[in-house]
Formats: sequence, structure tokens, C-alpha cells
Amino acid sequence: QKEVEQNSGPLSVPEGAIASLNCTYSDRGSQSFFWYRQYSGKSPELIMFIYSNGDKEDGRFTAQLNKASQYVSLLIRDSQPSDSATYLCAARLSSNTGKLIFGQGTTLQVKP
Amino acid sequence: GAGVSQSPSNKVTEKGKDVELRCDPISGHTALYWYRQSLGQGLEFLIYFQGNSAPDKSGLPSDRFSAERTGGSVSTLTIQRTQQEDSAVYLCASSHSQGRNTIYFGEGSWLTVV
Repeated sequence: QKEVEQNSGPLSVPEGAIASLNCTYSDRGSQSFFWYRQYSGKSPELIMFIYSNGDKEDGRFTAQLNKASQYVSLLIRDSQPSDSATYLCAARLSSNTGKLIFGQGTTLQVKP
Repeated sequence: GAGVSQSPSNKVTEKGKDVELRCDPISGHTALYWYRQSLGQGLEFLIYFQGNSAPDKSGLPSDRFSAERTGGSVSTLTIQRTQQEDSAVYLCASSHSQGRNTIYFGEGSWLTVV
């Protein structure tokens, strides 16, 4: 079992719709979770991080964490074509090394 | 500097040659990470530094790979006797210490082994 799993997609949504991206993790002791966006040929850029159960909102983005079920999600409201990218979920493991483990990423396509 | 700086940005090398990739982290960041990303794949963890020491080198794929960090700042990733399967983007990232601190990536070094 991979430590962080994502559906590779592509996930296709029409412009203006809500895109829902999901991620599960295997290390129950993981404490912090991150969503990065990566455009083709570019390095990952941080979108959001979440540590506590529940929702965290930042503009059009909402991160959701459910530690009991070991899943993290990212909702993108009013999706725009410029949101088309690969979204990487990452979990910081409970060990002291601080290592951040990434999922394979979900490709999102927002169609005008 | 303002961000994580990596060099070279692109490197084409012949199979069997050694290469060195350099990373200059964000000023004040004590934690430094190396990841590798092959075409169309996710990020593969290679090694993590806290200061000059490497508490986790579990991701280094073989003994041809090594990394060091000096002065708690610049890090060098060395790949000896490169193979074609080493072709990938090598991404460096840094953060304040560890725990909840987010990590920020450089633009990567694109390595092609021919």
C-alpha cells in the first residue's frame, strides 16, 4: 500500500463547477497535510495546508481533513481553466524526520 | 535569496559520467529536501537534511547517489556513473525546521542522460 494515494485522473469539470480532489494516507500518526499545484514543466507550488480535523477555507479553495478515515480532500469552487494542473497531496509522517510523502497527483482539466 | 535556487536548470550528460546538482535554500531554512520526479510521475523522496546532518537518506536509490550539505546552507546532490534511468527532474525544497512548517520548492534541475 502506498503511503499517500490519489486517483491520477484526469478529472474533468466544466468552468464554474466545483472540483473535488481526494487523497488517502496510510500512516495514522501523520499530523500535517499539504496540497500543492503543479503546472506542466513547473515545480510544485503550495496551495494549502491543514493540521486539524474539519475544513479550512482560503478563497476558492477548501481543504478537508478526516483523521479517523485517513483522508484529505481539496475542493475548488468556481473552477477556472487556469486551475487546470496536477494537484499533489502530501503528508508529513509522524516520525521525527519531517519527511513529506507525496501522492502521484491528480490531473484536473477545467473545460471552458 | 527570495526562493530556493537550483543549478544547473538543465543538464545533458553522457551515460557513465558523474553529475553534481546544487541547491541554495531559502535563507534561514534549516531543513532541506531532495526529491526526484520522472516524467508523468509523482515526487519521489530522496534525502532530508536538518542542518548539515541527514537523518533520513532512505530514498536514495543506490550507492551511486550521495548528497551533502555544508554550513547549514548549500547542498549538493551527486550522481556517479549516471544511467539513463536517472533522467528526471531533481527538485530541492526547504523549510524552517520540521513539524508543521511548509516546504517550498526550487524550479528543479532537469537531468537527461544520453
